[in-house]
Order: sequence, then C-alpha cells, then structure tokens
Amino acid sequence: GAGVSQSPSNKVTEKGKDVELRCDPISGHTALYWYRQSLGQGLEFLIYFQGNSAPDKSGLPSDRFSAERTGGSVSTLTIQRTQQEDSAVYLCASSLGLAGGAGANVLTFGAGSRLTVL
Amino acid sequence: GEDVEQSLFLSVREGDSSVINCTYTDSSSTYLYWYKQEPGAGLQLLTYIFSNMDMKQDQRLTVLLNKKDKHLSLRIADTQTGDSAIYFCAENRGTYKYIFGTGTRLKVLA
Repeated sequence: GAGVSQSPSNKVTEKGKDVELRCDPISGHTALYWYRQSLGQGLEFLIYFQGNSAPDKSGLPSDRFSAERTGGSVSTLTIQRTQQEDSAVYLCASSLGLAGGAGANVLTFGAGSRLTVL
Repeated sequence: GEDVEQSLFLSVREGDSSVINCTYTDSSSTYLYWYKQEPGAGLQLLTYIFSNMDMKQDQRLTVLLNKKDKHLSLRIADTQTGDSAIYFCAENRGTYKYIFGTGTRLKVLA
C-alpha cells in the first residue's frame, strides 16, 4: 500500500483478555518494526523483522508478548492475558531494510493502535 | 547509558524561531533523524543528517550536528501554529537499531 496501515486504531479490552494488533507495511519494505509509546514517554523498541525472521526480539517486555510476520508482509503483535500496564499506543514502522544508503534507513510509521486495558 | 535526551517542552510565539535540542550517546551513529508527531498520528519524518555533515537546511528547517559534543538541534524558522507537535530525534546505530529520544512538545502561541 501507499503507507503503513495499522488496525484496529483503537482497542478497549478487559484485563486478562488476549489482543491482536495488525500492521500492513509499505509494499516492498522488507524491514518491519514494532514500538510502544506510553503516555508521556518516548518510543520503546519491541521487535524487528527482516523478511519473516525476527533477528531481535529483545524489546518484548514479557513472554505474554509475541509477534509474527508471514509472507514478508503483514505482521501481527499478540498480547496475551493483558494487564493495565500494557495500555499504550503500539506503533508499527517499515523500511526498505538491508539495501543500505540513506533511503533504506528511513522508517515510515503507521498511525498506531491505541490499546486501553480496563 | 543508552538514552537520547531531549527537553520535554518548548513554547514559542508564532513567527519566532524554535530550536529543539537533542543529546545522543553513540559517536558511531551513522544517521540522525528528526520526526514530528501530531496528535493521534504516527511519526512523520521531517529530515535526517548523515554523521559526516555539520549542517543541513531544508526550507524552514535547519539541522545542526556537533559530533564532538554529540549534540543535534533542529531549528524551525518562522514557526507557525501548525508546527505545534511532539518532535523526536533518533539515532541509527546500525542496520536496524534506532534509538529515539523522549520527544519535545512544541507549543506555538498565536
């Protein structure tokens, strides 16, 4: 697509429920990133995909968080047994990836999925 | 530490210049970026600078880079109310590793 698309834009859930957040990157972008932005905070790195593999999962806060990417395109971030501290905006970004050069290093962000856990 | 530091708030009058500052930590960072985030939106790239440059100008935006002090600044000339947003600096430390600052909330007073 023309931009990075994320869904849902807003999600309200009850504590203990599972949620899935979806990211559809720019066509042809091989790299995909998930970040979390809590109220008044900067961006917290969660995970990075190059193609379908995730070389760096170090930012996932706990084993309740997982992500996958299929077909080198759409990615899903799953949060199991949600807690109130999971409330945040989850941002997805994509880039050209390993091709190198200034253009390849620019991240394009989606509008985010705002998660509220009651 | 790993933190990229920015002041949290800046308030300027419409028509004045705004200067947003950032201190980063890794002298080997290849690129440094400025992103803008408007309410309810994702981050939008404003500009970036390669680490071997001291300055980059793009219309109303001027980026200054002091590698010795690891200091990056963004100057917005003739600031308008539409420039009110949160501004993030970020450094690229490798193929995929981007470290973002906490963001500076710019408020432009009419």
